[in-house]
Amino acid sequence: EVQLVESGGGLVQPGRSLRISCTASGFTFGDYAMSWVRQAPGKGLEWVGFIRSKAYGGTTEYAASVKGRFTISRDDSKSIAYLQMNSLKTEDTAVYYCTREGWLQPYFDYWGQGTLVTVSS
Amino acid sequence: EIVLTQSPGTLSLSPGERATLSCRASQSVSSRFLAWYQQKPDQAPRLLIYGASSRATGIPDRFSGSGSGTDFTLTISRLEPEDFAVYYCQQYGSSPSMYTFGQGTKLEIK
Repeated sequence: EVQLVESGGGLVQPGRSLRISCTASGFTFGDYAMSWVRQAPGKGLEWVGFIRSKAYGGTTEYAASVKGRFTISRDDSKSIAYLQMNSLKTEDTAVYYCTREGWLQPYFDYWGQGTLVTVSS
Repeated sequence: EIVLTQSPGTLSLSPGERATLSCRASQSVSSRFLAWYQQKPDQAPRLLIYGASSRATGIPDRFSGSGSGTDFTLTISRLEPEDFAVYYCQQYGSSPSMYTFGQGTKLEIK
């Protein structure tokens, strides 16, 4: 059974940093691209960024709203994806979901339960 | 950047009725790159449809997707009580935002 479990969310002050993690199980993690999607309270879904599998270079892409502030990385030996968030703003407050991309397909076939990040002074 | 506009914003129907949800793109989208998700309160979204018309694993056949170009539709043939939720369409494209979502349609019990 595919499982994605996020951790590391919490309350952080504006301008500070936070790293959240996504621990995967039930599939060969290294074979898949992984994305982060967020949802502000009461709002819709917003794609944050993704990291390709090592077979496709392990490169990353980001939404314009987080580019230069957020960094996605992966540790295939541990089946973990990370989202490093720097220079956090109040508008980054959201539930952050870890998602698995379909096999070479542009959709999200599995989602974690999400972790809440609150940016507030 | 492609913008997806979903309509209606809220749809009020009764169990057993047919639901038709629309997703319109600001420019043409490859059908291969159009997906639909369902989200219930306090839950993560769930993939329903990918490639505009293919059902994801375990999705009942009362859910169907159709469309091409700029107009896509999610149809639920006979609503079950568990179908009342928010539905999002999503497309994959090029920069600046490789994935974009529609704003969602809330399907509520009438």
